[in-house]
Amino acid sequence: GDSVTQMEGPVTLSEEAFLTINCTYTATGYPSLFWYVQYPGEGLQLLLKATKADDKGSNKGFEATYRKETTSFHLEKGSVQVSDSAVYFCARSNDYKLSFGAGTTVTVRA
Amino acid sequence: EAGVAQSPRYKIIEKRQSVAFWCNPISGHATLYWYQQILGQGPKLLIQFQNNGVVDDSQLPKDRFSAERLKGVDSTLKIQPAKLEDSAVYLCASSLWVAGDSYNEQFFGPGTRLTVL
Repeated sequence: GDSVTQMEGPVTLSEEAFLTINCTYTATGYPSLFWYVQYPGEGLQLLLKATKADDKGSNKGFEATYRKETTSFHLEKGSVQVSDSAVYFCARSNDYKLSFGAGTTVTVRA
Repeated sequence: EAGVAQSPRYKIIEKRQSVAFWCNPISGHATLYWYQQILGQGPKLLIQFQNNGVVDDSQLPKDRFSAERLKGVDSTLKIQPAKLEDSAVYLCASSLWVAGDSYNEQFFGPGTRLTVL
């Protein structure tokens, strides 16, 4: 079935460090790919998305590129801030349904 | 624009008791979803409504879980009787329905954290 595997956490970084969270997906159908973020005490929010191969999603300094050849959608940010501390979820959709990875907790220290 | 509303935010019950959660989606969103998020896992879809009809309830444990969306707006999710393993955050999400799009962005509520003792 449809599945998403993402890097296990937790990840702890210093401010201004480079962040990457790996995500791979099963290649059935033609999924759209997403990163969702959950800040402490808040609901899930869409961070970025890509709907076809080679698309790059970007938002708030985060980027992820839809790589069909490696079935990957890794999330990157060049310089993290304390406010980026959150849980990040990779997800894929097919036929209007979302399948989520387990989530990666990121903590950024000042 | 108001977001997806859920209540209560927290609920603690004993096993074998019943519990109900309420969701009010964003106005005009035809599609409503209930997810279960167990600690350390990603959300898992329980049921999807399109207006007041069920589109997908394949992962809903129907012996104890039920959900309804009678007027195609608000929805309730009920667990009866609850088990220890039902402890989780229950998320409601809603989306527009745009025919022909393979995905319509889902907007999530803050969730209800259920603890079963």
